[in-house]
Amino acid sequence: GENVEQHPSTLSVQEGDSAVIKCTYSDSASNYFPWYKQELGKRPQLIIDIRSNVGEKKDQRIAVTLNKTAKHFSLHITETQPEDSAVYFCAASANDYKLSFGAGTTVTVRA
Amino acid sequence: EAGVAQSPRYKIIEKRQSVAFWCNPISGHATLYWYQQILGQGPKLLIQFQNNGVVDDSQLPKDRFSAERLKGVDSTLKIQPAKLEDSAVYLCASSRQGTGELFFGEGSRLTVL
Repeated sequence: GENVEQHPSTLSVQEGDSAVIKCTYSDSASNYFPWYKQELGKRPQLIIDIRSNVGEKKDQRIAVTLNKTAKHFSLHITETQPEDSAVYFCAASANDYKLSFGAGTTVTVRA
Repeated sequence: EAGVAQSPRYKIIEKRQSVAFWCNPISGHATLYWYQQILGQGPKLLIQFQNNGVVDDSQLPKDRFSAERLKGVDSTLKIQPAKLEDSAVYLCASSRQGTGELFFGEGSRLTVL
């Protein structure tokens, strides 16, 4: 089955700086790569996703890049704000089947 | 639209007891998932339904866990008998057929003593 590895497990950044989270996946059939944000005590919510037919996608301060050859994808958050503090999960699936999650990255934005 | 509803929100039981969780997905969502999230870890897929059929249950410990989705709408997840390592948040999610986005419920937090 799919194995998704995520790094780092914790990330502390100064407000205004950028944050980068990296994930690798094992199944070359995977073609859908979403990122979920989970605030403390709340449900995970989708913040951005990318499919394998594109290499990069941007939405305001967040962007995701995908390298299918190397089987890795990354989340970039620019101009971080205190409300960006949360746990971020990457995930991967093939044809929307059996979405597998990484272990999560706890991001802390210092004021 | 109303979100994914789950109950109960919290449950504390002794080991070897049984427990059941209920989920009502977003109206019209054909796909329903049960995930187990142990503290400090990412969600782990237990079972995925498409309408009322099982798409994948390869990671469901079938000796103690069971799940059903009658009539392709609501779903229940049962654990019998519970073990200490079953302590986790059980997240239900649903999605529209053909799309990837999962909509999660608030989760049911299980503590096994």
